[in-house]
Formats: sequence, structure tokens, C-alpha cells
Amino acid sequence: QQQVKQSPQSLIVQKGGIPIINCAYENTAFDYFPWYQQFPGKGPALLIAIRPDVSEKKEGRFTISFNKSAKQFSLHIMDSQPGDSATYFCAAGLTGRRALTFGSGTRLQVQP
Amino acid sequence: DTGVSQNPRHKITKRGQNVTFRCDPISEHNRLYWYRQTLGQGPEFLTYFQNEAQLEKSRLLSDRFSAERPKGSFSTLEIQRTEQGDSAMYLCASSTFAAGNYEQYFGPGTRLTVT
Repeated sequence: QQQVKQSPQSLIVQKGGIPIINCAYENTAFDYFPWYQQFPGKGPALLIAIRPDVSEKKEGRFTISFNKSAKQFSLHIMDSQPGDSATYFCAAGLTGRRALTFGSGTRLQVQP
Repeated sequence: DTGVSQNPRHKITKRGQNVTFRCDPISEHNRLYWYRQTLGQGPEFLTYFQNEAQLEKSRLLSDRFSAERPKGSFSTLEIQRTEQGDSAMYLCASSTFAAGNYEQYFGPGTRLTVT
């Protein structure tokens, strides 16, 4: 059973645009929601993370929006650049269990 | 470089052979994780260590898989009698022991191809 559903599967935006990637989770016990960026041939790199006690968190050009009642969270990339072209993964973690459950990924392409 | 390192980066083996991968975590990190990532998918959890103790194993970790972290520093993941379905990227991650800290930092991975 997939516990974290991510959409869209792929996304193309123009430079300067604001791509939005969405994730939905099923387990209401999840209490940690990170986003990772992965370039081809590399391991995932932690971008930003949020806890369910806040509705939004910003770090640089990256913003997470969190909707606890809807069990959804999303990543917004402001002023996107071609260098942001990568695969993005959302994940969810549960207190007492150290494993992260990942979404299936979104391949983002930012065109110059 | 003080990040997580993994060796080898690539491994090609024939079906039925045994393979072993190594992970060196960030030096002050007590926790170490192994994940598997297949093409077009997100990482899937395999197992987790706190210091030298293996505290959790996924159902994905069949009897052919074994992981160790003997001195609480580096870890090895061994796959015995490899199958073509084992072809994947094997990722290692580490984190600190601080209470409530979930930040996991990943290494570059070992890509396994079973022919």
C-alpha cells in the first residue's frame, strides 16, 4: 500500500516560473515531512522539511505548504532556474520509526 | 569531503554471485540507514542502525540480504545469491542521535546491475 502519493510525475516550466509539486499521505501519525532533490547519478539531497504544527515553511526559494486536515503538502520553487532541473521526492516520517516513506518522485525540467 | 560515502559506486555481477557494499556515514552521526531505489521510483527503506545495533528491518530485506555495522561506524550490506530483481541503486543515509531529529543525509549510492 503506497502511503505517500506524489504528483505530477513530470513537470516542465519556463525559467522564472513557480513549479508546484504535491504530495498526499494516508497515515495521520506521520509527523515529519521532508523534500529531497536528486540529480542523475547522485543520492537524494535534503532540501527542506516541515512538521505538522506549522502550515508553511520557507528556505530560500523553496517553500513547503502543509494542510493537516487534507493530509497534503506541497513544494513551491520560486523563480525557478535551469539548475533546478532534477527529480524531487517528498517523504514522510513517523516518531519512533526511523524509516522515511518516499513518494514516487517528480521530474522537473526548467527551460531557459 | 565530510559527507556520506559509498563504495563501490557501480557493481556489475552475474546472477548467483554474492556482493558487498560499504557505507561510511558522516563522522558524528550515530544512525545509519540503507535504502533501495529502482529506476523511476523513490527510495525504499531496508534497514536502520543506531550505533552497532540493527533496530529495524523492512520486509524487503529478504534472507539473502544482511547488513552489519560492527563498530558503530561504517556499515556493510551483503546480498547473497544475487537475482536480476536485485538490480537497483543502494543508498546509505546517516543522521544524528538528537531527539526528534529526522534529518537523513544520503550518500551517492551504489548502482548494482545483475546480469
